[in-house]
Amino acid sequence: GIQVEQSPPDLILQEGANSTLRCNFSDSVNNLQWFHQNPWGQLINLFYIPSGTKQNGRLSATTVATERYSLLYISSSQTTDSGVYFCAVASNAGNMLTFGGGTRLMVKP
Amino acid sequence: GAVVSQHPSWVICKSGTSVKIECRSLDFQATTMFWYRQFPKQSLMLMATSNEGSKATYEQGVEKDKFLINHASLTLSTLTVTSAHPEDSSFYICSVEGSLTGELFFGEGSRLTVL
Repeated sequence: GIQVEQSPPDLILQEGANSTLRCNFSDSVNNLQWFHQNPWGQLINLFYIPSGTKQNGRLSATTVATERYSLLYISSSQTTDSGVYFCAVASNAGNMLTFGGGTRLMVKP
Repeated sequence: GAVVSQHPSWVICKSGTSVKIECRSLDFQATTMFWYRQFPKQSLMLMATSNEGSKATYEQGVEKDKFLINHASLTLSTLTVTSAHPEDSSFYICSVEGSLTGELFFGEGSRLTVL
């Protein structure tokens, strides 16, 4: 099956700093989503982005499908941004999502 | 996007009992729902694909007799953990494909603790 790798696995930031999270995948995809998992476990949809660039407030994402990677940018980080960020993809063979290992982000005040 | 609700959010049970978890699509008719499991500090792993009106499709290594899935209507799928044991303690979360684009939306999750 498709492989999804996220980096870095852990990230500590000072409030106000910017960061870039990376997601590499091993095959063509027809779906790529970024999620934020809050402390209660709920997955919050951030972006549906199988290709191209999108922005939502302080967050933006870019997927370069031909090179099989996606980037999530967080600008002016806040303590409420803390949590785990997951990238998940679905290959052209089906629409069930395969998750990467996640990036655990801690933003310190 | 689709609104997905799970119940219960938390459940604690004794070893050997069975536990049923419900996943409801509140504003969208879902012919397909997906069940995932997440162990502490790990990623989400797909357990099975729930198909309305037919048998679920299980991922390799997931026991279908252990994790019974029923998708009797377009808005409800249930996961029953039969004869639960402590190693079944986990976070179980369902998802629904909410639009023609294939974007998936997730329920709040159900945390199972087996004593």
